[in-house]
Amino acid sequence: AQTVTQSQPEMSVQEAETVTLSCTYDTSESDYYLFWYKQPPSRQMILVIRQEAYKQQNATENRFSVNFQKAAKSFSLKISDSQLGDAAMYFCAYKDGSEKLVFGKGTKLTVNP
Amino acid sequence: DVKVTQSSRYLVKRTGEKVFLECVQDMDHENMFWYRQDPGLGLRLIYFSYDVKMKEKGDIPEGYSVSREKKERFSLILESASTNQTSMYLCASSFFGELFFGEGSRLTVL
Repeated sequence: AQTVTQSQPEMSVQEAETVTLSCTYDTSESDYYLFWYKQPPSRQMILVIRQEAYKQQNATENRFSVNFQKAAKSFSLKISDSQLGDAAMYFCAYKDGSEKLVFGKGTKLTVNP
Repeated sequence: DVKVTQSSRYLVKRTGEKVFLECVQDMDHENMFWYRQDPGLGLRLIYFSYDVKMKEKGDIPEGYSVSREKKERFSLILESASTNQTSMYLCASSFFGELFFGEGSRLTVL
């Protein structure tokens, strides 16, 4: 079964600085999707960024970018110019041909003013 | 805007009670999901439905059942609630792999 591992239960960053959240996954599939979801305190989870495995180019959404290393099965999220509103739980997720996503255990990000 | 609505944000129930958690989406999505979220365990899939009256077990279906009589509504049922089912329950629908979540239902079983 596919697994997703987030090795950092908690991270902190100073406002305006850059932070990288780690994610590794295990799969024997060649075609799949990877996601980062954000869950702010007491608010609903939203999609931050997605990456298709067949695309070599790393996805970018404004201050959020990923470093996708397919051979290493690594999918890290970089947040640049961190803002107080970035404080949240971040979940890495994997999806292949099934409609079901597999989630990591999450990383709690604290942004210090 | 995409909207997934869960009927109750907070519920307190007693052991042995039957509990219904309701979820409605307004996006005409085929797929709907129920996840359970616990600290340190992330999100675990309980059930998902890929069409009306169609369902598939997830990773932790024991103690739960689901109902999908209409496309927009997906209900999670705890036939006899137990204290180990105290948790946050998240409903979601999906479109081309992207999940759209509700705000969650925090259930406490006493």
